[in-house]
Amino acid sequence: DAGVTQSPTHLIKTRGQQVTLRCSPKSGHDTVSWYQQALGQGPQFIFQYYEEEERQRGNFPDRFSGHQFPNYSSELNVNALLLGDSALYLCASSLRGRRNSNQPQHFGDGTRLSIL
Amino acid sequence: GENVEQHPSTLSVQEGDSAVIKCTYSDSASNYFPWYKQELGKGPQLIIDIRSNVGEKKDQRIAVTLNKTAKHFSLHITETQPEDSAVYFCAASHGSGNTGKLIFGQGTTLQVKP
Repeated sequence: DAGVTQSPTHLIKTRGQQVTLRCSPKSGHDTVSWYQQALGQGPQFIFQYYEEEERQRGNFPDRFSGHQFPNYSSELNVNALLLGDSALYLCASSLRGRRNSNQPQHFGDGTRLSIL
Repeated sequence: GENVEQHPSTLSVQEGDSAVIKCTYSDSASNYFPWYKQELGKGPQLIIDIRSNVGEKKDQRIAVTLNKTAKHFSLHITETQPEDSAVYFCAASHGSGNTGKLIFGQGTTLQVKP
């Protein structure tokens, strides 16, 4: 049973460029959340996708956008990259539960993005 | 706003001793509290979680306690082993709208000395 898989594992970009990161959720999961983890910090919520729609968004600018596909996989896009966007980008998947019922989120190993 | 404070930032124990990591949260609507272990070069791994209708939960050498009144929750690891060395994160979430947004603490680096 494959867990959450992310690609690529590492990426180097320059300021102003655009990047697309990919995530395949754990088998049986239908919800994907993206987090940004700066060095030495805890992950910070970017947004969550369910039924191909963005359901909630954290405190990130519009340069960060995403997409979820019918097979539940997801992409994170970042435009106009800044030096401060250098971080580990984590994808987490879960199975949507009943209203007001959080379900466990399982993380992939992330994409390490470096901006030069 | 939503905030989770985690202490200590670093913890060093001798193999076989116990380790305790504490977290406080600000959002009284929080009702789900997972703990994650993150090893170098890996993503966070869920090790235990607790919901607000439960005061304590145990899984072998790991236990979590929750005090909703004080908005505190803690991770207890007994009989620590060198392979327990990692960074541990607490998190809090509320089910409003069922979005599952996790607010993480700053992390605790646990070192278990053989």
